[in-house]
Amino acid sequence: EVQLVESGGGLVQPGGSLRLSCAASGFTFSTYSLNWVRQAPGKGLEWLSYISSASSSISYADSVKGRFTISRDNGRHSLYLQMNGLRDDDTAVYYCARDQGPWDLDYWGQGTLVTVSS
Amino acid sequence: QSALTQPRSVSGSPGQSVTISCTGTSSDVGGYNYVSWYQQHPGKAPKLMIYNVSQRPSGVPDRFSGSKSGNTASLTISGLQAEDEADYYCCSYAGSYTLVFGGGTKLTVL
Repeated sequence: EVQLVESGGGLVQPGGSLRLSCAASGFTFSTYSLNWVRQAPGKGLEWLSYISSASSSISYADSVKGRFTISRDNGRHSLYLQMNGLRDDDTAVYYCARDQGPWDLDYWGQGTLVTVSS
Repeated sequence: QSALTQPRSVSGSPGQSVTISCTGTSSDVGGYNYVSWYQQHPGKAPKLMIYNVSQRPSGVPDRFSGSKSGNTASLTISGLQAEDEADYYCCSYAGSYTLVFGGGTKLTVL
């Protein structure tokens, strides 16, 4: 069974940093591209970042470019999102999602809540 | 990276059909056949319902269908059922390894 489990969310002050993790199981992790998507409270889905299977291709939404960094460790079956310079409007549930290829997200984690507040 | 445009809400009675539109540009919806649709129930993660404009993942009822014309994609749900009440989001590839979502549509089954 394919599973994606996010962790690392929590309360952080504006300007602070947080690192999210997504642990994967049930599939050959190293052969799939992955994405981060977020959803602010009561709002819609927002795509954030993409990383290819071998990390050779990486992209970001303009809203997080220069502040967030996506990475993965195929040996640990894990995806990461390093978030720096956090702002109030980064408050959201953050999901990791598998890309079954191309460009459709067939499995999602349950999400982890990030709250940016002083 | 502007969000795709969806109606904020649609509604229908059980057994009826509803269609949700998703309008983008030639740089996203119109430029690629990589439009997908996601269903999200409150407090749950999104679920893939349609990919590559009109393909259904295994397990998704054939009541759900997708299409595209120009810069507008559409999701049609026929034979509405109570459990179809949810938020629906379209998503398109937008080039340079990026994706863009629509603002979401709340489907109410009357």
